[in-house]
Amino acid sequence: AIQLTQSPSSLSASVGDRVTITCRASQGISSALAWYQQKPGKAPKLLIYDASSLESGVPSRFSGSGSGTDFTLTISSLQPEDFATYYCQQFNNFGGGTKVEIK
Amino acid sequence: EVQLVESGGGLVKPGGSLRLSCAASGFTFSSYSMNWVRQAPGKGLEWVSSISSSSSYIYYADSVKGRFTISRDNAKNSLYLQMNSLRAEDTAVYYCARAFCSSTSCYTGGNYWGQGTLVTVSS
Repeated sequence: AIQLTQSPSSLSASVGDRVTITCRASQGISSALAWYQQKPGKAPKLLIYDASSLESGVPSRFSGSGSGTDFTLTISSLQPEDFATYYCQQFNNFGGGTKVEIK
Repeated sequence: EVQLVESGGGLVKPGGSLRLSCAASGFTFSSYSMNWVRQAPGKGLEWVSSISSSSSYIYYADSVKGRFTISRDNAKNSLYLQMNSLRAEDTAVYYCARAFCSSTSCYTGGNYWGQGTLVTVSS
């Protein structure tokens, strides 16, 4: 089974910061990667699919890149509502999550 | 508006059984694969099971294989998860999620999720 490793597992950042989260696959997965945002007590929300395609309604400050084994989710200017946990996913495999906290 | 509403969670003793339901509305249920994804308290997301639109294809995570059974009733727009031989490690919020497929890939997480139902396995 493909394993997805996210880094870091948590980070502290300030409003307005540029934030980058990495997801590494144990084998090549082309561009078949999605990113989700989850807030406490809520279901995950799809942000990015196919590594770089923005889901409808998601703010443009979110972007994704990468292919093969290395992928990145970038938040260009962190907003208060972006403090959450982010997960990558390939088909039915999830990464361990990255918690973005307020500095 | 797409809605997925889970029910059936609760407290059950180890070795017991529980049946989760997910009522779907706002889309043509019979056209989509559906999934169960769970999240243990304070932990990450774990895919549990998937079922294709016509129930022809069914898949399970190794952690639940042989104990859980996924099914659907397209006439009732409903998805089910029969959970038997429950263990403490099955304690989690269980989400139903509509599969999402782009032109090139499919994702069992999808872009529509229910609110989740909590299953607690404890004596």
